[in-house]
Amino acid sequence: DQQVKQNSPSLSVQEGRISILNCDYTNSMFDYFLWYKKYPAEGPTFLISISSIKDKNEDGRFTVFLNKSAKHLSLHIVPSQPGDSAVYFCAAGLTSGTYKYIFGTGTRLKVLA
Amino acid sequence: GAGVSQSPSNKVTEKGKDVELRCDPISGHTALYWYRQSLGQGLEFLIYFQGNSAPDKSGLPSDRFSAERTGGSVSTLTIQRTQQEDSAVYLCASSLGVRTGETFFGQGTRLTVV
Repeated sequence: DQQVKQNSPSLSVQEGRISILNCDYTNSMFDYFLWYKKYPAEGPTFLISISSIKDKNEDGRFTVFLNKSAKHLSLHIVPSQPGDSAVYFCAAGLTSGTYKYIFGTGTRLKVLA
Repeated sequence: GAGVSQSPSNKVTEKGKDVELRCDPISGHTALYWYRQSLGQGLEFLIYFQGNSAPDKSGLPSDRFSAERTGGSVSTLTIQRTQQEDSAVYLCASSLGVRTGETFFGQGTRLTVV
């Protein structure tokens, strides 16, 4: 029972172009979503988050879009840089009750120079 | 250090032995989580501690797994009678515990059961 799904295990993008990473969830009660980036042999690092009351949150080159009716969120990176090459995890959770987040399986992004 | 610290970074153990994994969260963080990542899988929630409240153990895969958090700080994850399927990277994370607080992860402990 995978409540958070990242259906693309990998993605390759040319430097300077847009990277779009997708994430789907099944639990309509989720009201908070996060993206994490993970380099090899390191723990994940927080990238950007969005509350369900918004449909877009932007931070520099990173923008997260949330489509609640489709239970879908995406992370856009513009322009993509070689240093963005990493595994990206989306996570979803509830802001009531416990704070545990459900993570997707990750998408490996490779930005080609 | 300023970040979440985990030890050991790597652990190889024989099937059937017990292991202890340690996590030092960021000072002042009241929430502490354990996750694990098996090969090709996402991050699987194991257990969550928040202050003095009873921990959320709903993610522990079997009764061979247990965790403690002493004094609201350091946490130890114990796996008894390890099995090969326990091989994974075990990640600890901490946060301020506010509902939308950013969660900081340690570098993980890679456990290999042979």
